[in-house]
Amino acid sequence: DAKTTQPTSMDCAEGRAANLPCNHSTISGNEYVYWYRQIHSQGPQYIIHGLKNNETNEMASLIITEDRKSSTLILPHATLRDTAVYYCIVRVLGAAGNKLTFGGGTRVLVKP
Amino acid sequence: DGGITQSPKYLFRKEGQNVTLSCEQNLNHDAMYWYRQDPGQGLRLIYYSQIVNDFQKGDIAEGYSVSREKKESFPLTVTSAQKNPTAFYLCASSDFGANSNQPQHFGDGTRLSIL
Repeated sequence: DAKTTQPTSMDCAEGRAANLPCNHSTISGNEYVYWYRQIHSQGPQYIIHGLKNNETNEMASLIITEDRKSSTLILPHATLRDTAVYYCIVRVLGAAGNKLTFGGGTRVLVKP
Repeated sequence: DGGITQSPKYLFRKEGQNVTLSCEQNLNHDAMYWYRQDPGQGLRLIYYSQIVNDFQKGDIAEGYSVSREKKESFPLTVTSAQKNPTAFYLCASSDFGANSNQPQHFGDGTRLSIL
């Protein structure tokens, strides 16, 4: 799987948009970008995924650059409950086991 | 509600003892996974199963065993051969197919500690 690079941590003001960057410069054409988050002592929560088009769901938006070497997860109106570690993962479609490889993630702290 | 249930939430093991962690899903997913997470680190794949009665080793299978007798259940046994079993164990499931990009969904984990 392609390696991803994320900031170690970032702060965000409550009610403002949170923009989480992810670099995946070695991504291949058949690799999807997935975002998960993990709140302390809980299992990872799926947020969104995409291949090359921008995606939006009830939780967030995913913006993937045209060359697919980076992406940004956007939480439109951050709340205190969005405080978590956010993981950006790229995964080869149909790879053995479809396993997810979690890196260090970005620790996001939403402040009042 | 559909989801993945892991039990127990906390588990303690004595030296030389085998323990079994339960994972049940009612999402009708074909594939199930077990991951291990150590403090401050990412997840590492222990075992996975794509269909009933079939499973494959992941990256760190030594000292663990699994079974997949039913589609909805994928229990993990931590054997006495696993010398450093203290960790947070996570079970996940997903639809599976050669062309499936469906995400994995996780349970809330079991925290295993050694007495």
